[in-house]
Amino acid sequence: SYELTQPPSVSVSPGQTARITCSGDALPKKYAYWYQQKSGQAPVLVIYEDSKRPSGIPERFSGSSSGTMATLTISGAQVEDEADYYCYSTDSSGNHRGVFGGGTKLTVL
Amino acid sequence: QVQLQESGPGLVKPSQTLSLTCTVSGGSISSGSYYWSWIRQPAGKGLEWIGRIYTSGSTNYNPSLKSRVTISVDTSKNQFSLKLSSVTAADTAVYYCARGSGYSYSYYFDYWGQGTLVTVSS
Repeated sequence: SYELTQPPSVSVSPGQTARITCSGDALPKKYAYWYQQKSGQAPVLVIYEDSKRPSGIPERFSGSSSGTMATLTISGAQVEDEADYYCYSTDSSGNHRGVFGGGTKLTVL
Repeated sequence: QVQLQESGPGLVKPSQTLSLTCTVSGGSISSGSYYWSWIRQPAGKGLEWIGRIYTSGSTNYNPSLKSRVTISVDTSKNQFSLKLSSVTAADTAVYYCARGSGYSYSYYFDYWGQGTLVTVSS
């Protein structure tokens, strides 16, 4: 079955750039989306269609995709950005199954 | 502003059927082109897509759960529902309902409910 692979954890100091990757065989054909989830809360969309930022999401969040890898970049990460981040996409079957990556714990300290 | 709210029993016995309802407010569930979806998350683990129902009533399910899942919609109540049969402890999770937007082949979830914990235990 289709999988999206993320690193389990990423750690940066405040003000540094954090990059979280997501790899998947269908990403050349399908959009990647990124969700931020803080403890005890529902996920929040931070990037859609590879690189678009929803209204209300800070400009320090950006996304890109090339080949089989999508990347979420947080430029000048802040302490409040500490959270779990999930990439999301759909598979190439006719079912259009939704698939989440395993999640990446971002630590900012 | 669209809002979603899950409701249903927080405790289900093994082998029984888990039933949850999502009530949508701030917009009609039958207007627009949206995919009303269910997603779950076991404690300390990642997110798992369960399935979706389109405004036309057509459904898609996660193949790993397909034999046990039914998603339906009640437009008169502005609700959609999840039924998961023959549950085991592995189905214990926070269950989220969400609105899917975008294309049929590439959609994302822009509005989520707060989530409801369902525990499977005797």
